[in-house]
Amino acid sequence: EAGVAQSPRYKIIEKRQSVAFWCNPISGHATLYWYQQILGQGPKLLIQFQNNGVVDDSQLPKDRFSAERLKGVDSTLKIQPAKLEDSAVYLCASSFGGTSEDTQYFGPGTRLTVL
Amino acid sequence: EDQVTQSPEALRLQEGESSSLNCSYTVSGLRGLFWYRQDPGKGPEFLFTLYSAGEEKEKERLKATLTKKESFLHITAPKPEDSATYLCAVQGGYKLTFGTGTQLKVEL
Repeated sequence: EAGVAQSPRYKIIEKRQSVAFWCNPISGHATLYWYQQILGQGPKLLIQFQNNGVVDDSQLPKDRFSAERLKGVDSTLKIQPAKLEDSAVYLCASSFGGTSEDTQYFGPGTRLTVL
Repeated sequence: EDQVTQSPEALRLQEGESSSLNCSYTVSGLRGLFWYRQDPGKGPEFLFTLYSAGEEKEKERLKATLTKKESFLHITAPKPEDSATYLCAVQGGYKLTFGTGTQLKVEL
């Protein structure tokens, strides 16, 4: 079974530029998550989708971050404009149903460097 | 607000030297405690889920246990390939809250 796919794997941009990340979850998984992992820290949830709808985006900096999940499958996370403090690994995860018993499976992440 | 504290931050072991990693947590209504392994440049890899105090789970050289306030990840006779960062996370409601991890290095 294919795992969670993410692209690109690495991205370097200047501050104030925009960037987008793509995620394809495990086939059949209804719930998709975006996390931010700053070096030396654990992942922090940015947004959670259940099918097409947003379940939790309380920690998403909405003035610069946006995310969408079209047709309940793939998702994109966008940052516009980027700041130096956005340098981090952006992880996508998916789970079958999104309940407390569901295991989240992570992709390899996209490492973003903002100069 | 849910909180997770992991200790030690880093641990260096000799091959075959058993030890334990600690995960202390506070959560309103624990729905699950998760252990993940993360290798450099990769996403977290699922290891275990524990749901209630007293529960234990094993996988090869790893054994996870859970009490009402903390979880332990016991590593028996570790090998160099067990070197990684081990992350603990708790779920109260929908959201997973992660600790900062324990970076384990196993040397020959």
